[in-house]
Amino acid sequence: GAVVSQHPSWVICKSGTSVKIECRSLDFQATTMFWYRQFPKQSLMLMATSNEGSKATYEQGVEKDKFLINHASLTLSTLTVTSAHPEDSSFYICSAMNTEAFFGQGTRLTVV
Amino acid sequence: RKEVEQDPGPFNVPEGATVAFNCTYSNSASQSFFWYRQDCRKEPKLLMSVYSSGNEDGRFTAQLNRASQYISLLIRDSKLSDSATYLCVVWGAAGNKLTFGGGTRVLVKP
Repeated sequence: GAVVSQHPSWVICKSGTSVKIECRSLDFQATTMFWYRQFPKQSLMLMATSNEGSKATYEQGVEKDKFLINHASLTLSTLTVTSAHPEDSSFYICSAMNTEAFFGQGTRLTVV
Repeated sequence: RKEVEQDPGPFNVPEGATVAFNCTYSNSASQSFFWYRQDCRKEPKLLMSVYSSGNEDGRFTAQLNRASQYISLLIRDSKLSDSATYLCVVWGAAGNKLTFGGGTRVLVKP
């Protein structure tokens, strides 16, 4: 089946630094990818929809200048958490639709 | 009211027993419905799609009730490996995107 690969799977960074997360669709082209955030014991919350070749669409309450999304090709979307703070520590998951929604393995971000 | 709601559980289930739980959605225009399974610290994985006619996959049965706006999942002959969080996922509950329920935690015990 279709596979979505996300990297890195976990990262620890210092407060104030930026972190880039990559999401790749390995055997299909994805014009649209989705970025989610999941806090402990909560469900996935959609942060933004990443559109190939155009600007991402952000959900209400998500700062577009803090969570930079780039979807430069049909197989790659990146999420950059800029000036990360401890409250940004979370599980970030990307997803792409093919015949169903396929999810990356997730990135556990810890900001110290 | 949340767009997709689930009983968070946990449902403590003896091994071999049957467990069932529902998920309600608020938007009658919602188009597609799915059950995903998520293990701790892992990404969600599709368990099954849900159709109006109901569908079964081994020990798992899913049903959709459009009139009452809920979907259900039933697990028969529960295995220890069925312990997980089951996510109700709806396409079209809030525009052209997937909306996730909060998840129902199931714990199968020997």
